[in-house]
Amino acid sequence: ETGVTQSPTHLIKTRGQQVTLRCSSQSGHNTVSWYQQALGQGPQFIFQYYREEENGRGNFPPRFSGLQFPNYSSELNVNALELDDSALYLCASSSPGTSNLPYNEQFFGPGTRLTVL
Amino acid sequence: SQQGEEDPQALSIQEGENATMNCSYKTSINNLQWYRQNSGRGLVHLILIRSNEREKHSGRLRVTLDTSKKSSSLLITASRAADTASYFCASMLTFGGGTRLMVKP
Repeated sequence: ETGVTQSPTHLIKTRGQQVTLRCSSQSGHNTVSWYQQALGQGPQFIFQYYREEENGRGNFPPRFSGLQFPNYSSELNVNALELDDSALYLCASSSPGTSNLPYNEQFFGPGTRLTVL
Repeated sequence: SQQGEEDPQALSIQEGENATMNCSYKTSINNLQWYRQNSGRGLVHLILIRSNEREKHSGRLRVTLDTSKKSSSLLITASRAADTASYFCASMLTFGGGTRLMVKP
């Protein structure tokens, strides 16, 4: 069983640029969630994808967008980068919830550390 | 906004002691989960407790849930230096700010 992988590990960009982060979900998982974690803070939910459709979104502006592919891998795109976008970006995959257990255990990747200069 | 808020924000103990971390949340939940994070890496799921459960054990971990007080606690017994990490509670994809635990050998 392959775990969640993310690429790249580290990335340095300048203000105004665009970035794409990638995530491969764990085998058998069709739900992917993205989080932003600033230094010393807890992860903040950006959005979730289920079967290639956005399935929930946190309090992030539209310049944060995503995609999920038929193999359930996912991308996070951030346009017009700002200094405050510097953070660890985490991807997590899970199996879909049920009515009795709508939120399952999530399996996290190691993250992508984004620095915006 | 954060669903869960952990308390304390930081905790330093000696190896062998017990560590207790608390979490409060704001809205009704179906379940609450605890995760661990080592130094800026990905999070690892520790335990899930459902809203109709009051206590759950996993190895040296004990989690309690009080839905009337909207609070949960994580107890790590007989702590080890390897338990040094940040611990987060989460509900409905929303994480708290975490407790940074340091276990001194």
